[in-house]
Amino acid sequence: DAGVIQSPRHEVTEMGQEVTLRCKPISGHNSLFWYRQTMMRGLELLIYFNNNVPIDDSGMPEDRFSAKMPNASFSTLKIQPSEPRDSAVYFCASSRQGDTEAFFGQGTRLTVV
Amino acid sequence: GENVEQHPSTLSVQEGDSAVIKCTYSDSASNYFPWYKQELGKGPQLIIDIRSNVGEKKDQRIAVTLNKTAKHFSLHITETQPEDSAVYFCAASKGGANNLFFGTGTRLTVIP
Repeated sequence: DAGVIQSPRHEVTEMGQEVTLRCKPISGHNSLFWYRQTMMRGLELLIYFNNNVPIDDSGMPEDRFSAKMPNASFSTLKIQPSEPRDSAVYFCASSRQGDTEAFFGQGTRLTVV
Repeated sequence: GENVEQHPSTLSVQEGDSAVIKCTYSDSASNYFPWYKQELGKGPQLIIDIRSNVGEKKDQRIAVTLNKTAKHFSLHITETQPEDSAVYFCAASKGGANNLFFGTGTRLTVIP
């Protein structure tokens, strides 16, 4: 298995622009997580899905952030409009529902200038 | 909610020495404590975990200990090697991967 696949690996955008991050979970995994990693706050869970349904989005910082999972093999995290403080590494992870191990992608490093 | 604190934030050791990273948690209902290793440019990867019904677990050069009463757990790496250099995260959970609360990470550097 190729593991969790995220794209792009790096994104540089100007403040105010829309940013879309993409994730393909491991086949057969039905839980998907979006995390944000910063130096100050470490790894923060933004939202997670079970069977394509958002279960807990309490970690989403603002209405500027939205996430979708239209099918079992694809999810997006969108930031509109982006701000410099959104600069971070965003990770997608997946697991089998009920399992304890989360498998992480390689992350997307977002820089908003 | 759960609050996981981790220290130190950075740790440098000589190759062959031991490294210890410590974490505390706040929610006594947490019962699963994994450790993830993040290498440069990669996502975190599970290296070892421990459940609340066990006090210690060992896997080759790494071991974890858990003190439920004090609500703290530790990662021990013996005979460190340069390839152990990475950022290590502890986490606490009440069950599955959907309930993981991570510490802020420890950057370990093993000096050859």
